[in-house]
Amino acid sequence: SQTIHQWPATLVQPVGSPLSLECTVEGTSNPNLYWYRQAAGRGLQLLFYSVGIGQISSEVPQNLSASRPQDRQFILSSKKLLLSDSGFYLCAWMRGSYNSPLHFGNGTRLTVT
Amino acid sequence: GENVEQHPSTLSVQEGDSAVIKCTYSDSASNYFPWYKQELGKGPQLIIDIRSNVGEKKDQRIAVTLNKTAKHFSLHITETQPEDSAVYFCAASRGNYQLIWGAGTKLIIKP
Repeated sequence: SQTIHQWPATLVQPVGSPLSLECTVEGTSNPNLYWYRQAAGRGLQLLFYSVGIGQISSEVPQNLSASRPQDRQFILSSKKLLLSDSGFYLCAWMRGSYNSPLHFGNGTRLTVT
Repeated sequence: GENVEQHPSTLSVQEGDSAVIKCTYSDSASNYFPWYKQELGKGPQLIIDIRSNVGEKKDQRIAVTLNKTAKHFSLHITETQPEDSAVYFCAASRGNYQLIWGAGTKLIIKP
């Protein structure tokens, strides 16, 4: 069966510090990978998605970036965090086939202080 | 652009009663409609989905109905239980690997 791992679960970082969140998927190959952000009590905002290694599409201009160095690894990064980067970050994957379900990890709660 | 509207934003029902959450989509090419349940501090989990060639789908106490003409779909939960309390999200897709999300409904089950 397929599983998705996302870490860390919680993170407190000062403004201006760098960020690296990692997500890996097991049990499938060539998945589509996604990073979402969720502000407290709000909906799901798509940040990045990737349909293959090295292929990243950005949905929202911001100081975040994403990379996919391996088929089942997706990394979200920032060089300098802003207060507004606080939120709940969710990684998700989908089979690369027509109308497949999206599967989420358990998220990282990021607080920028 | 493509849009999914979800109502209500908050729904409070008595335990044992039914709950209905409605979503309306704008893109007539949408053909896949999943529903997700998000418990506090966790990622959303798929609970049921429906494709445009089907009008209704049921899974125990949960059902989804789709009206393609009116471009809306609904989640029905019968015999609600305390563990049904969560935030529910609808979404729509035209099959291009991207989902358009509703804003979410907070469902509260009163004992």
